[in-house]
Amino acid sequence: DGGITQSPKYLFRKEGQNVTLSCEQNLNHDAMYWYRQDPGQGLRLIYYSQIVNDFQKGDIAEGYSVSREKKESFPLTVTSAQKNPTAFYLCASSPPRETLLAKNIQYFGAGTRLSVL
Amino acid sequence: GESVGLHLPTLSVQEGDNSIINCAYSNSASDYFIWYKQESGKGPQFIIDIRSNMDKRQGQRVTVLLNKTVKHLSLQIAATQPGDSAVYFCAENKDSGYALNFGKGTSLLVTP
Repeated sequence: DGGITQSPKYLFRKEGQNVTLSCEQNLNHDAMYWYRQDPGQGLRLIYYSQIVNDFQKGDIAEGYSVSREKKESFPLTVTSAQKNPTAFYLCASSPPRETLLAKNIQYFGAGTRLSVL
Repeated sequence: GESVGLHLPTLSVQEGDNSIINCAYSNSASDYFIWYKQESGKGPQFIIDIRSNMDKRQGQRVTVLLNKTVKHLSLQIAATQPGDSAVYFCAENKDSGYALNFGKGTSLLVTP
């Protein structure tokens, strides 16, 4: 059963704590993305990775870190430097693009809802 | 500020009516657009896409129209059903890059 799996579904963070959100895909997609969604808002890009061992900052990367050691996995760490981490976090992936003009359809996981204790 | 925006935050339609959700963009370099549907507590689902060299694209019960002159995009849903109730986002892909820029979304409520 192919898809993008995010875990956990709900996560609570204590003040000063780092937490890591998991994202795994078995779609053989090269690119992976992390977005943050606040209530009533659109999605804002945190980080993305086009290939293994490479990633780029998005619009709101401060307070977050990522790694891409394997093609299937793109974990996101919400660090203590992120002062307002409460949000819905969405991971996405997109298939290989043979050219830059190829479609860039991103497929999303079910999300992780992070709250602060 | 955001370059992708939606005209109305909420839209209420009766079951069986047609729905039209609008989206404006400001970057003339945007060359690819996607519409997503997000149900409560779930991740966005791909609905339909359109490239900037097209004016119209049709799917099953959905049609996307692109007007590059006024930088406007719309999603039309025919014979709207209760299962269509969700938040709809348009997203633009600028300069054939990897990142998508999402609008804030329109909440569609279908009433019986």
